[in-house]
Amino acid sequence: NAGVTQTPKFRILKIGQSMTLQCTQDMNHNYMYWYRQDPGMGLKLIYYSVGAGITDKGEVPNGYNVSRSTTEDFPLRLELAAPSQTSVYFCASLGGIGVGYTFGSGTRLTVV
Amino acid sequence: GQQVMQIPQYQHVQEGEDFTTYCNSSTTLSNIQWYKQRPGGHPVFLIQLVKSGEVKKQKRLTFQFGEAKKNSSLHITATQTTDVGTYFCPGAGSYQLTFGKGTKLSVIP
Repeated sequence: NAGVTQTPKFRILKIGQSMTLQCTQDMNHNYMYWYRQDPGMGLKLIYYSVGAGITDKGEVPNGYNVSRSTTEDFPLRLELAAPSQTSVYFCASLGGIGVGYTFGSGTRLTVV
Repeated sequence: GQQVMQIPQYQHVQEGEDFTTYCNSSTTLSNIQWYKQRPGGHPVFLIQLVKSGEVKKQKRLTFQFGEAKKNSSLHITATQTTDVGTYFCPGAGSYQLTFGKGTKLSVIP
């Protein structure tokens, strides 16, 4: 099992550009999440999904979009990148009650 | 998710010293999870506590859940440089976790 795989690992974007952060999991988990982590801070929830076709906003959804067409994939779309979106993005999945989140290794995004 | 306050925010210890971080909630928690994030890494799930007064051990790490299920602690005995990182006890909502800043542990060799 690969667990949760995120691509790319690093990316530099120019202001106004768009990109998609990819996240895929091979554990057949229904619940998936996108968090961002700014330096020295905790993780803030951007969007989450409780299953294919269902997504919902978290604490900081502005400037982002998600889709969940399959159980495995949960891509995060950035439209019109801004410097405030410079952060480390983590995707995570949850198999059910009683087990913890499995996180991907993260995408380090810089917007210049 | 439920708000859980964690203290201290930073802790510097000499290698071999013990370390404790505390989490407190104003409301009763159904459970509490602990995560560790190494510098430059991603959070890794350590453990979940569910029962009132529960104590669980993982080698040098001891996790406790308070009797009232409003607080929890992580104690590391005889810290090692491999313990360096940030420890989180996120508040749990409906299948969501709210992560605070955690406790950042530095270990001086």
